[in-house]
Amino acid sequence: EIVLTQSPGTLSLSPGDRATLSCRASQSGWSNYLAWYQQKPGQAPRLLMFGTSSRATGIPDRFSGSGSGTDFTLTISRLEPEDFAVYYCQLYGSSPFFGQGTKLEIK
Amino acid sequence: EVQLVESGGGLVQPGGSLRLSCVTSGFPFSDHYMDWVRQAPGKGLEWVGRIAKTAHSFSPEYAASVKGRFTISRDDAKSSLFLQMSGLKTEDTAVYYCARARRYLDYWGQGTLVTVSS
Repeated sequence: EIVLTQSPGTLSLSPGDRATLSCRASQSGWSNYLAWYQQKPGQAPRLLMFGTSSRATGIPDRFSGSGSGTDFTLTISRLEPEDFAVYYCQLYGSSPFFGQGTKLEIK
Repeated sequence: EVQLVESGGGLVQPGGSLRLSCVTSGFPFSDHYMDWVRQAPGKGLEWVGRIAKTAHSFSPEYAASVKGRFTISRDDAKSSLFLQMSGLKTEDTAVYYCARARRYLDYWGQGTLVTVSS
């Protein structure tokens, strides 16, 4: 079983700041299957990134993804008020697993 | 426009059964794998299971936590996905989402709440 560990659990930043969210996998070799989702309260998750670094349709270019091996990063270059939410990484393998989430909150 | 709409949630007693539906539109349903994902109140996302597109003839796959109790099926003629849940436990209480699957989940429904309580 693959374990995904996201850090930090909570990130407190201000609009205009740069956000760096981490996702570490317990096994390597899954870069093509690494995705990120954003979830706001009372809403379904929304796909942000897939294949580690490809943006989903309609996602602004302030969002970027990187990483390889076991370490992956979601970066938001300049936070907008609507970016404050919970972010999940996921490895879509034989048994898709989600990380526990990082809550991005306004400082 | 791609749309997924879940229904069928509600209050059920422990040990009971419930059938969720997900009606889709805006894309060729029969060409896609489909997943169910759930989220317990105040918790993170948990993958429940997946069903392949009919042409692939693979058996549905399930998370260990629901295997043997939940069954995923599909009706391509109605562009619909189903989740039959039996032997429900209090820990199955969650919002259940259906989602279109590729190597990621690109479209999600709004979710339906299942509450298991006596």
